[in-house]
This record gives sequence, C-alpha cells and structure tokens, in this order.
Amino acid sequence: KAGVTQTPRYLIKTRGQQVTLSCSPISGHRSVSWYQQTPGQGLQFLFEYFSETQRNKGNFPGRFSGRQFSNSRSEMNVSTLELGDSALYLCASSLGAETLNTEAFFGQGTRLTVV
Amino acid sequence: AQSVTQLGSHVSVSEGALVLLRCNYSSSVPPYLFWYVQYPNQGLQLLLKYTSAATLVKGINGFEAEFKKSETSFHLTKPSAHMSDAAEYFCAVSGNQGGKLIFGQGTELSVKP
Repeated sequence: KAGVTQTPRYLIKTRGQQVTLSCSPISGHRSVSWYQQTPGQGLQFLFEYFSETQRNKGNFPGRFSGRQFSNSRSEMNVSTLELGDSALYLCASSLGAETLNTEAFFGQGTRLTVV
Repeated sequence: AQSVTQLGSHVSVSEGALVLLRCNYSSSVPPYLFWYVQYPNQGLQLLLKYTSAATLVKGINGFEAEFKKSETSFHLTKPSAHMSDAAEYFCAVSGNQGGKLIFGQGTELSVKP
C-alpha cells in the first residue's frame, strides 16, 4: 500500500511569507502528526490531528497551525515566516487508536528554507 | 512527563563490529518505546518497538533492543555492523496522549570499512 506522502519535498520562502505543507496519510489511518526537525533542537512535536480535530499540541507559537480534512489528509500552515523556521517538517500517520503503542509511519518530509 | 536521553550523539564502529546505541527513558506511566532510523534526506523508518509483550525485541535489519525497567534503558544493538547501517538513529517514547512521540536527540552511526 502507498506510504505517507508529503508535498512539496522542497520549498524556499522569504521571511514574512506564509507557507502551507500537505500530508496524505496511509489509507485507513485517521491520525496525522507533524514534527519539526532541526540540527539544534532535534525532532519536536508540533501537533496531532485525529478525525479532523486537534488531539495534541506541542509547544510552538500560534504562527504554526494545522487542519485535517474528512479524508484524513492534513495541512500545516506557518505564517509570518522567520529564519528559524527553516527545518525538515515530517508528517506521521497512524491508525489513531487510543492505545499508546500505535506505530507511526513517517513521510519523507518537506525541507523548508526561509531566506 | 516522558523524556528520552540518547547517550552519544555520534558513534563510530568498524564493519563487522558490535553496534550499541544507548537510550534511557523517563516515564510516569508504563512506556511504549521505539527505535527509528533516518537516512539522509529521508523520513524515519521504524526499526522496532517495545509494547510490554517481551523485554527483548527483535527488529528489522538484524537490530534488537532490550527493555530494562530497573535501568530505565532501551539500548539498541546489532551483532555485526554493515556499511549500510550508517544513518541517524532515534529512540522515542509514546507520550501519554495518543499519537505524540517524544524523541531523543539522535545518534549518528558511522561504519568504517
């Protein structure tokens, strides 16, 4: 079956602009999580969506937002981009059951560069 | 609160040597633990997961990890390193809320010929 698909793979934006990243989860998966990966901070949890509702949220400013559609596809948006937002943004999908051992499958990521 | 500490940001081994990547966790609830591998410019791939069924967990590519509650550890091992094992490895623990994963800082594994 198809894996997690993230688009675009690479993106270059200017400070102050906004950006939208897309994630299509594995078919049948209802949970989508987003992570930011940087050399300095490592992998940090942004938020998780389940059945179109934000279920968990990390410690990021309000410029970072997301949503999930009825087909489980998810988008995340970053407004007023800062240089420090340059990172690899990873999306992970899982079945979404309430058990904590649910395996997460990751996409290849979107590399965002802010100049 | 859950947290993960990976000891050693960089580990270098010779091809054929034992691989040992260290992970210690902190969790206020019975943990679910994972090891992921990341190759350059790629996403994360699950190597193995601990879900309390057995303390010794076998994963893909010959990797295994042992859960030791008394030491709060979940170290990753492989008896014989291969050049293709060179990558970054992440230990993670499930947060106490659904799909959230808390990652360690990662360990970059280099394999010398």
